Amino acid sequence: AQKITQTQPGMFVQEKEAVTLDCTYDTSDQSYGLFWYKQPSSGEMIFLIYQGSYDEQNATEGRYSLNFQKARKSANLVISASQLGDSAMYFCAILSSGTYKYIFGTGTRLKVLA
Amino acid sequence: GAVVSQHPSWVICKSGTSVKIECRSLDFQATTMFWYRQFPKQSLMLMATSNEGSKATYEQGVEKDKFLINHASLTLSTLTVTSAHPEDSSFYICSARVGTSYGTQYFGPGTRLLVL
Repeated sequence: AQKITQTQPGMFVQEKEAVTLDCTYDTSDQSYGLFWYKQPSSGEMIFLIYQGSYDEQNATEGRYSLNFQKARKSANLVISASQLGDSAMYFCAILSSGTYKYIFGTGTRLKVLA
Repeated sequence: GAVVSQHPSWVICKSGTSVKIECRSLDFQATTMFWYRQFPKQSLMLMATSNEGSKATYEQGVEKDKFLINHASLTLSTLTVTSAHPEDSSFYICSARVGTSYGTQYFGPGTRLLVL
């Protein structure tokens, strides 16, 4: 079985600063994918970044980067130069190669302060 | 990125009525769509996997007679909440998978259901 753990229910960050959102996972699969999604108050799920378990380099997408530490089973999201529009709920998810289903973490609510 | 729409975005209904929610992939074909449910301030919980042309696969604890899923075409899946009750009030989100089994899923904007 797969499990995703997000230990930070809420985070504050000052505008223009960087912030790290934690995510650890547990899986017995050799091949899997790790995803981060942003959910603003409107409810839509916005795909941010993806890391494959066999990717040796950390994924980056603009201001988003994924700090992937496979041995520690962690896939933290780093947002650089935070903007007010980054205030939202952030979900980490694992996609199992066995079931091809997403398992989501409980989410972290990020508030960017002006 | 790929676009997924849901209709309606908001629905309020009386207890005992049935509600149909549509999920469409607008610019790609999706052989597999997923239906999730999200309670306030909680995570998304997968309800079922919808496969075009075959029966949906429901997660443990989800009543298939209560939540009817139909995936009649490669761009449309529907979720019908039958005989809705107040406890069915929730945020329902669909997603559609692009390409192969390991493809990225794109989410619809969600449907908020309120059963009075």
